[in-house]
Amino acid sequence: DGGITQSPKYLFRKEGQNVTLSCEQNLNHDAMYWYRQDPGQGLRLIYYSQIVNDFQKGDIAEGYSVSREKKESFPLTVTSAQKNPTAFYLCASSATGVSNQPQHFGDGTRLSIL
Amino acid sequence: AQTVTQSQPEMSVQEAETVTLSCTYDTSESNYYLFWYKQPPSRQMILVIRQEAYKQQNATENRFSVNFQKAAKSFSLKISDSQLGDTAMYFCAFMKPLGSSNTGKLIFGQGTTLQVKP
Repeated sequence: DGGITQSPKYLFRKEGQNVTLSCEQNLNHDAMYWYRQDPGQGLRLIYYSQIVNDFQKGDIAEGYSVSREKKESFPLTVTSAQKNPTAFYLCASSATGVSNQPQHFGDGTRLSIL
Repeated sequence: AQTVTQSQPEMSVQEAETVTLSCTYDTSESNYYLFWYKQPPSRQMILVIRQEAYKQQNATENRFSVNFQKAAKSFSLKISDSQLGDTAMYFCAFMKPLGSSNTGKLIFGQGTTLQVKP
């Protein structure tokens, strides 16, 4: 079945450590997105990519980095510069070239600080 | 900048009854898309329904329907014959159309937690 796979499901970060969250999709979607969700709040966009080897900052990009070397993959690195990384992270993808394409979401990764 | 507001943090409804969740938004765009997503306790985001701003007809998906009032910038979700499985957090979201800047960028409201009681 086509879908979006995020791993790991739970992740713990030590002080000063960079961690990478994986996101893989087999939907053949061009666009991919990373969102952060804090308790009781909506999603906020971190980074997005419309095409391979290109990506743009979202609303809260500071302390995060991404790469898009393959169409299927859009990993997110939470760097030590992100002082409050504890949150639920959701990856999404969507088709482009056709209007009104909804975003499909993965199951998320919960990141906590040790 | 666009904003999306959900003014009801929590709501409850008895099983089999109808409930309406409110959403308002602010934009200067004339063409855009609106969505309702459901997030059950499993935390997965599930698309419930979508509406194109240029369509006057309200979207309907089985027990879910919307009341889209473009002039008032209102986009409420009605759930008929509520079921226990409808218990979840519901998010209203706004998206600019393809061709403008920030294509595909979803702007979410704060969410409404809906509890369906047996």
